[in-house]
Amino acid sequence: QQPVQSPQAVILREGEDAVINCSSSKALYSVHWYRQKHGEAPVFLMILLKGGEQKGHEKISASFNEKKQQSSLYLTASQLSYSGTYFCGTEDGGATNKLIFGTGTLLAVQP
Amino acid sequence: KAGVTQTPRYLIKTRGQQVTLSCSPISGHRSVSWYQQTPGQGLQFLFEYFSETQRNKGNFPGRFSGRQFSNSRSEMNVSTLELGDSALYLCASSPGTGFSNTGELFFGEGSRLTVL
Repeated sequence: QQPVQSPQAVILREGEDAVINCSSSKALYSVHWYRQKHGEAPVFLMILLKGGEQKGHEKISASFNEKKQQSSLYLTASQLSYSGTYFCGTEDGGATNKLIFGTGTLLAVQP
Repeated sequence: KAGVTQTPRYLIKTRGQQVTLSCSPISGHRSVSWYQQTPGQGLQFLFEYFSETQRNKGNFPGRFSGRQFSNSRSEMNVSTLELGDSALYLCASSPGTGFSNTGELFFGEGSRLTVL
C-alpha cells in the first residue's frame, strides 16, 4: 500500500514554515524522505529509523511515530531552494532496497 | 565521483515496439533499483538487482524485465509497448545490503519514454 501524504500541495513565502505528513497503513521499519526538483532526479534528504535515530539533512527535521505509522517533515524558515516535490518512502524490511514511495507533496516557495 | 548515468535520456517509440534502457551505477555500488514515475501513479518500484540477482520485484506485468551485469550496470527492457508505458524511468543505486546500512538511494536523471 502506498503511503499517503498531506497536503498534496502547499505554497509558501520565503521564511514561512511548512509541515508535510506521511501516513502508512502498514507497520514501518523506517521512513525515508526525498525531494525532487522539476526536471531533476529525486535527492535523498533523510532517513528515520525505529528508536529515533535520524540521519540526513542539517536544516530539515522530521519525526517518526512508529505506533501511529506516521512521519512528518518540518521545513522551517523556508528558502526558495526548498521548492520541489517531496516524497516519503517506506521499506518492506529485510536486506533489500525496495522503497514504496508516497503520493508526493508539491511545495512552492515564493519570494 | 561520477553519479548514476542513464541512457538514453529521451526516446520515442510506437505501440508494440520494445525498448531497452541502461543504467550505470556509482562506482562501487552493487544494488540497482528501477522505478517508473508518472503523474498519476507517482514513483512505482519496478525491480531491484544486487550482484546480478533480482532481489525484489514490483507489481508490473512480465513485459517489464531487467538484468544486471557483473560490473553492476543494469538494463531494463519493456516489450510490446503500450501507451500507458509512457513515463520517466528512474534508476537508483546504493552500496548494497539494505537501508539500515546505507540509508540512501542515488538516483539518475531518468530516461523519459514516450509511446505513440
